[in-house]
Amino acid sequence: GAVVSQHPSRVICKSGTSVKIECRSLDFQATTMFWYRQFPKKSLMLMATSNEGSKATYEQGVEKDKFLINHASLTLSTLTVTSAHPEDSSFYICSANTGSGNTIYFGEGSWLTVV
Amino acid sequence: AQSVAQPEDQVNVAEGNPLTVKCTYSVSGNPYLFWYVQYPNRGLQFLLKYITGDNLVKGSYGFEAEFNKSQTSFHLKKPSALVSDSALYFCAVKGFNDYKLSFGAGTTVTVRA
Repeated sequence: GAVVSQHPSRVICKSGTSVKIECRSLDFQATTMFWYRQFPKKSLMLMATSNEGSKATYEQGVEKDKFLINHASLTLSTLTVTSAHPEDSSFYICSANTGSGNTIYFGEGSWLTVV
Repeated sequence: AQSVAQPEDQVNVAEGNPLTVKCTYSVSGNPYLFWYVQYPNRGLQFLLKYITGDNLVKGSYGFEAEFNKSQTSFHLKKPSALVSDSALYFCAVKGFNDYKLSFGAGTTVTVRA
């Protein structure tokens, strides 16, 4: 199936700093990518929809100034957690729609730990 | 609004026995239904989907699911479970005109040797 790659898989940052997570579609072009947050043994919470060439659409309750999303190309979306705090520590997962067949593929996820 | 219910937090079966993970959904219009599996500290892996056509869908790793429109269900099944099937399973739905997936709460499957 289609491959979605996330980087880094794990990152530790200090409180108050910013960290960027990348999501790439490796063998297809994705005009739309999605960013989720997942707490341990819980379901996925959609944070925002990343649209290539335009602003991201954020879900209710998600701070757009804190979670910056950029979708500069058809194969890359980035999530930047700004001024990170320990409560931002979580598992972040991206996904992308291949367009054909309506299947949505997920990246391997990125563990963020803010200390 | 679309939604998914996975009524069981946990399913425990013995290896070699049939495995069923339940899912019901609510969506406007025709549904697009998906099953994903998640292993610890990993992303979600696509198992199978129903878009249209045969109600019985076959997917990866011997899994299948049956779409039942009257019961608005899409239960995941495997005739003979393996210990390696132990994982967290998510059912998801989106409507024909929707671009976002809605996920169930997930079901933890434990297959004992």
